[in-house]
Amino acid sequence: QQQVKQSPQSLIVQKGGISIINCAYENTAFDYFPWYQQFPGKGPALLIAIRPDVSEKKEGRFTISFNKSAKQFSLHIMDSQPGDSATYFCAASWGSNYQLIWGAGTKLIIKP
Amino acid sequence: DAGITQSPRHKVTETGTPVTLRCHQTENHRYMYWYRQDPGHGLRLIHYSYGVKDTDKGEVSDGYSVSRSKTEDFLLTLESATSSQTSVYFCAISNKSGGEGYGYTFGSGTRLTVV
Repeated sequence: QQQVKQSPQSLIVQKGGISIINCAYENTAFDYFPWYQQFPGKGPALLIAIRPDVSEKKEGRFTISFNKSAKQFSLHIMDSQPGDSATYFCAASWGSNYQLIWGAGTKLIIKP
Repeated sequence: DAGITQSPRHKVTETGTPVTLRCHQTENHRYMYWYRQDPGHGLRLIHYSYGVKDTDKGEVSDGYSVSRSKTEDFLLTLESATSSQTSVYFCAISNKSGGEGYGYTFGSGTRLTVV
């Protein structure tokens, strides 16, 4: 119930392509879904987040798509660049609870 | 990372010794968290704090204790280090609860090796 399942574990995309990372959840009380980006030797950093009252949120080349009925959300990186190579984590939380439930992470490599 | 520092950045210690990791913030944020990161496990919450002297356990708290005597400092202690506690430890801070969400800011991590 409390898990967030993230896939794939790793992903290789050609420069200029679209990178897609998926997450699924069970707890319908979740109401906040952020994505974090982590570079080697650094802590994760908030990339983009969405609430379930919208189906899509876009910030530059990064888009979150949210499917409430399927209990799934995904991160799309358009025109992927080598500088996007990093580990990406999805997460979820609910109400006034201040804890995030994390996916296991996806290591993304963009080939030049 | 701006506003949050972890020390030390690297540490090697022997099995059975106590170890204390420090997280210091200058943002005056209410919430502070300690996570460990291991390959294949993502981020796992060890302990968190929602105010001075207010702390609670996370999902992997066995063998760890924490203290928060000041808003700016959150200490993580491994009471008797074991090889299974070899990991990268991250501290995070947050000043939001519900509402706008949980914009965690993470430190740069402490790489701990227990030999």
